[in-house]
Amino acid sequence: AIRMTQSPSSFSASTGDRVTITCRASQGISSYLAWYQQKPGKAPKLLIYAASTLQSGVPSRFSGSGSGTDFTLTISCLQSEDFATYYCQQYYSYPLTFGQGTKVEIK
Amino acid sequence: QVQLQESGPGLVKPSETLSLTCTVSGGSISSYYWSWIRQPPGKGLEWIGYIYYSGSTNYNPSLKSRVTISVDTSKNQFSLKLSSVTAADTAVYYCARTPDYYMDVWGKGTTVTVSS
Repeated sequence: AIRMTQSPSSFSASTGDRVTITCRASQGISSYLAWYQQKPGKAPKLLIYAASTLQSGVPSRFSGSGSGTDFTLTISCLQSEDFATYYCQQYYSYPLTFGQGTKVEIK
Repeated sequence: QVQLQESGPGLVKPSETLSLTCTVSGGSISSYYWSWIRQPPGKGLEWIGYIYYSGSTNYNPSLKSRVTISVDTSKNQFSLKLSSVTAADTAVYYCARTPDYYMDVWGKGTTVTVSS
């Protein structure tokens, strides 16, 4: 199974900050990567697929980049509603696997 | 827009079979793949498996010996059965539409506790 490792596991940030979350795959996955946002008690929400394609309805402050083994999710200007946990997921091979999550907390 | 809703018992006894159903509304199940994902308390997400409307399936090898996913297109539903459950199977279980092996529409999730 491909192991997905996110960094950091958690961090604190302020509204208005530019934040970046990293996801590394244990082997190359081309651009078969998705990013999700999850708030407490809620289901995950798809933000980005194919590493950099923004899902319909997702604000443009979210962006994704990378290919191969290294990927990033960037929030250009953090809003209050963005404080949540973010997961990456590879769909290059089975089993589909997720990163362990990155929790973005309010500073 | 498409909505998904999980249903099933919230409490299952150890060694028994967990059974959940996902009802798809606002769209037809007769396209896309449809997944089950779970999340133990305080932990991350684990993909359980998916089914295509035609009935073809793919399961996570870590659960494959205990998992069965089926589809009922006449009811616009798909189902999960997980046998021989233990406390480690306690989790929130989600169903999700899987258009290209990522999940774009999720149900709200249902909590299943394994306990005697």
